[in-house]
Amino acid sequence: GQNIDQPTEMTATEGAIVQINCTYQTSGFNGLFWYQQHAGEAPTFLSYNVLDGLEEKGRFSSFLSRSKGYSYLLLKELQMKDSASYLCAVRSMYNFNKFYFGSGTKLNVKP
Amino acid sequence: EAQVTQNPRYLITVTGKKLTVTCSQNMNHEYMSWYRQDPGLGLRQIYYSMNVEVTDKGDVPEGYKVSRKEKRNFPLILESPSPNQTSLYFCASRLTSGSAETQYFGPGTRLLVL
Repeated sequence: GQNIDQPTEMTATEGAIVQINCTYQTSGFNGLFWYQQHAGEAPTFLSYNVLDGLEEKGRFSSFLSRSKGYSYLLLKELQMKDSASYLCAVRSMYNFNKFYFGSGTKLNVKP
Repeated sequence: EAQVTQNPRYLITVTGKKLTVTCSQNMNHEYMSWYRQDPGLGLRQIYYSMNVEVTDKGDVPEGYKVSRKEKRNFPLILESPSPNQTSLYFCASRLTSGSAETQYFGPGTRLLVL
């Protein structure tokens, strides 16, 4: 399996920028996904990285460094509706059907 | 509307009483998967299916069974539920097992086993 680490909880202010980090074991890696999950709801897809670098999608960007086993999700111009949990997930290189999720980072956006 | 549906959404049952949680997708996806989500542990994969009649174990398959007789349906069966199976369950699907495409998750089934 994979050990995937994310901070448990973060707080940020509306309009600000926040970075949520994710670290994972580098062996057996084949792609990293970020999901957003509002309380009591299903996870929804935010981004996918398989090569090093930054992927930008509107207010959300995701960065990957495969050699360091490190990714981050960057949220700009925070809005109250961004209050949610953010899940980092790694797909196995040995089995494309297997996914390993971190326990999620709960982001609280305050006015 | 493209979606993954699960039923029931909420279920309270007693230890040992067999139950089935249904999952259906209308996107003609080959790949389907079941996860459970527990506080502090994140989503853990129970079983997955690459196509009709092809299933395999995830990380936490004990106490669960699945079947994939049709492409659209992937039910999760608890033959003899126990309290440690109290959890939030998500079904997910994606187009193919090898693609970079993301998974689409159902709305979740909250199960309480007494």
